[in-house]
Amino acid sequence: NAGVTQTPKFQVLKTGQSMTLQCAQDMNHEYMSWYRQDPGMGLRLIHYSVGAGITDQGEVPNGYNVSRSTTEDFPLRLLSAAPSQTSVYFCASSPRPALNEKLFFGSGTQLSVL
Amino acid sequence: AQSVTQLGSHVSVSEGALVLLRCNYSSSVPPYLFWYVQYPNQGLQLLLKYTSAATLVKGINGFEAEFKKSETSFHLTKPSAHMSDAAEYFCAVKGTGANNLFFGTGTRLTVIP
Repeated sequence: NAGVTQTPKFQVLKTGQSMTLQCAQDMNHEYMSWYRQDPGMGLRLIHYSVGAGITDQGEVPNGYNVSRSTTEDFPLRLLSAAPSQTSVYFCASSPRPALNEKLFFGSGTQLSVL
Repeated sequence: AQSVTQLGSHVSVSEGALVLLRCNYSSSVPPYLFWYVQYPNQGLQLLLKYTSAATLVKGINGFEAEFKKSETSFHLTKPSAHMSDAAEYFCAVKGTGANNLFFGTGTRLTVIP
């Protein structure tokens, strides 16, 4: 089982550039989410989706866009990268939106914005 | 609103010693509580979860946690630390009906041989 797959693993951007972090899961999970992890701040929720066509904002959504056109894919778009977006990004999914079961995490994308 | 506070960003224990990682929660509704572990350069993995059944929850790798409503705590313990337990541990909370999971800031566990 592939589980949750994130690409790329590493990325360096210049300020103002745009890019898309890819996330795909092959477990037919309804719930998908994006977190960023920063030292001393733990994981903070950026955006989440409870099903195809449905997305909502988390704690730190500014500067990021998402869409959920299929159950499998949940890409995260940085429209105009800023140094403050340097972080490790994790995609996570769960079978159902209630989140009473565990989150399945990808292996992360390390992003540096210069 | 839900939140968790993890006391101690770094904890060091000797191999074979008791592991105690502290987590206190804040929730206006009955909480669901989780402990996750992150090994270097990996995503998080679920250790255990509390969903209002038994207050003492057993997880993987010999870890357990006790839900104490009176103390609003959900501390993680393991009787005897192993070198392979060295990792970062995150406490997380969600409220009933919510579909957001809120994580603490993490505690890095070092095991000294």
